[in-house]
Amino acid sequence: GIQVEQSPPDLILQEGANSTLRCNFSDSVNNLQWFHQNPWGQLINLFYIPSGTKQNGRLSATTVATERYSLLYISSSQTTDSGVYFCAVEEYGNKLVFGAGTILRVKS
Amino acid sequence: EAGVAQSPRYKIIEKRQSVAFWCNPISGHATLYWYQQILGQGPKLLIQFQNNGVVDDSQLPKDRFSAERLKGVDSTLKIQPAKLEDSAVYLCASSLRQGPYNEQFFGPGTRLTVL
Repeated sequence: GIQVEQSPPDLILQEGANSTLRCNFSDSVNNLQWFHQNPWGQLINLFYIPSGTKQNGRLSATTVATERYSLLYISSSQTTDSGVYFCAVEEYGNKLVFGAGTILRVKS
Repeated sequence: EAGVAQSPRYKIIEKRQSVAFWCNPISGHATLYWYQQILGQGPKLLIQFQNNGVVDDSQLPKDRFSAERLKGVDSTLKIQPAKLEDSAVYLCASSLRQGPYNEQFFGPGTRLTVL
């Protein structure tokens, strides 16, 4: 099946810093989603981005489907951005395959 | 618009006991998914329903896990008997496919601890 690799696995930032998270996938995909899992375990939808670039406030994402990668940018990080960020790609048949996640800690 | 609802939020049981989880998807979403998330890993699909039919249950341990979606709306996932390795968060998700668009939305999850 498809492989999804996220990097870096862990990231510690000072409040106000910027960061880039990467997601590589091994095969063509129908769709791609980015999620933030908060400390209570809830998966929050950040972006639905099979291709192109989207922005939402301090967050933006770019997917280059032909090169099989996606990037999530976080600018001016805040302590509330802490948590785990997951990239998930949709295999044929609607199944989402998740990466292992990037653990982000933002220090004040 | 109400999100995906799940209950209970937490459950602690002894091994070999049984447990059931409930999920109510977003209104109008025909597709419903159950995922298992073990600590430190990303969620993994257990079973997918389209209306009340099973689309994919290839990763469901059928000797102990069962799921149903009567009337094509809410769903229950059951484990009987539970093992220690079933300790995980069980996430329910739903989606409304419109052409190629198929964004999945997740509920808050049920955290299961098997002692």
